[in-house]
Amino acid sequence: AQSVTQLDSQVPVFEEAPVELRCNYSSSVSVYLFWYVQYPNQGLQLLLKYLSGSTLVESINGFEAEFNKSQTSFHLRKPSVHISDTAEYFCAVSSSGGSNYKLTFGKGTLLTVNP
Amino acid sequence: NAGVTQTPKFQVLKTGQSMTLQCAQDMNHNSMYWYRQDPGMGLRLIYYSASEGTTDKGEVPNGYNVSRLNKREFSLRLESAAPSQTSVYFCASSEDLGAGANVLTFGAGSRLTVL
Repeated sequence: AQSVTQLDSQVPVFEEAPVELRCNYSSSVSVYLFWYVQYPNQGLQLLLKYLSGSTLVESINGFEAEFNKSQTSFHLRKPSVHISDTAEYFCAVSSSGGSNYKLTFGKGTLLTVNP
Repeated sequence: NAGVTQTPKFQVLKTGQSMTLQCAQDMNHNSMYWYRQDPGMGLRLIYYSASEGTTDKGEVPNGYNVSRLNKREFSLRLESAAPSQTSVYFCASSEDLGAGANVLTFGAGSRLTVL
């Protein structure tokens, strides 16, 4: 079985400050990792993903996440946040080579960026 | 491109009533999913359909039925609604990129309240 733990349910920060949203996973096999973002009153959309290759992955809007196999983590970071980054962020994991449909989501972290 | 379209966006039911949530995608994706989102619980998979003509239970299928009408459409039915089914429901679809690597495209959600 696999699971995802998002360590913080809420993260308030000021505009232009750095932020880190933490995600740890457990799985007995190799994994694929994802971050999805949900803006207010919208569905989720993919922010970035790790499937293979470089352990550091980036999104088009300045977020990055690093896959750390030894620490079973996939933390999301941004060096300087904007008001528009206010949203809920979900980490998700699936098992590579396993069922296509076994994607497990964390409970989400609400990022609130204050002026 | 409309992506994934869900109807209705809002619905209020009385306990025991039935209703169907509709979902359609125009991306020619093989796989479709129904999730529910509850505060502090993240997303939980109700049912999924790997391809036209097949459906399988997810994590929380009790009280729901689904129909994969064709490749585009995947409906979710509540036969006898209960207050515990008050939630926001999301439909999603995906290409099959390989075991575990699917990236989901979500609809905007349907907010259901059962009194």
